[in-house]
Amino acid sequence: GESVGLHLPTLSVQEGDNSIINCAYSNSASDYFIWYKQESGKGPQFIIDIRSNMDKRQGQRVTVLLNKTVKHLSLQIAATQPGDSAVYFCAENAGNNRKLIWGLGTSLAVNP
Amino acid sequence: KAGVTQTPRYLIKTRGQQVTLSCSPISGHRSVSWYQQTPGQGLQFLFEYFSETQRNKGNFPGRFSGRQFSNSRSEMNVSTLELGDSALYLCASSLDTPGSGANVLTFGAGSRLTVL
Repeated sequence: GESVGLHLPTLSVQEGDNSIINCAYSNSASDYFIWYKQESGKGPQFIIDIRSNMDKRQGQRVTVLLNKTVKHLSLQIAATQPGDSAVYFCAENAGNNRKLIWGLGTSLAVNP
Repeated sequence: KAGVTQTPRYLIKTRGQQVTLSCSPISGHRSVSWYQQTPGQGLQFLFEYFSETQRNKGNFPGRFSGRQFSNSRSEMNVSTLELGDSALYLCASSLDTPGSGANVLTFGAGSRLTVL
């Protein structure tokens, strides 16, 4: 399944399917992007990051894609598991003031 | 190694009171950032400290303040509490300034403040 982070805050997928969580960032000068996962009752946890000189980066079961032309970032989760149920945040950094700017988050629900 | 520790985890205050929240970063981490998290506003940056100096500040009123000690532990204080201050306050530490690309934020579990 797919979602646009700010327009569809909830994404529901079947266990075993691939998930795609989208994020539209605001600043064309942003040069660093990061994804965090927040489970209920916990603080956000780092998943993966990418610099603007790359358009793809892979981790364990996760891939981040960056499209600078349309200022779009996506997180792909392969073979989604119940433990992936959480709120996923993207964040951008423009480098000047070193502050991360966070999206509102997308809630991922994995159905067994 | 121990993660980021925040205390207290839960607290209830009344309007007009003040509150102090504490954060112990990961050993060796020198940067500490504070965030306010609410359902409607998401994660809002409060401030960041590095080597006992405030490096960055978000758009919060002066009622919100913080400090960092020589051992990198940090506290934040909110005075004259308002109902709207009810939120989860998150602390995060990193080796260096967050967003540098080489040093990601490690978050604590947060302090959940309820203002009645």
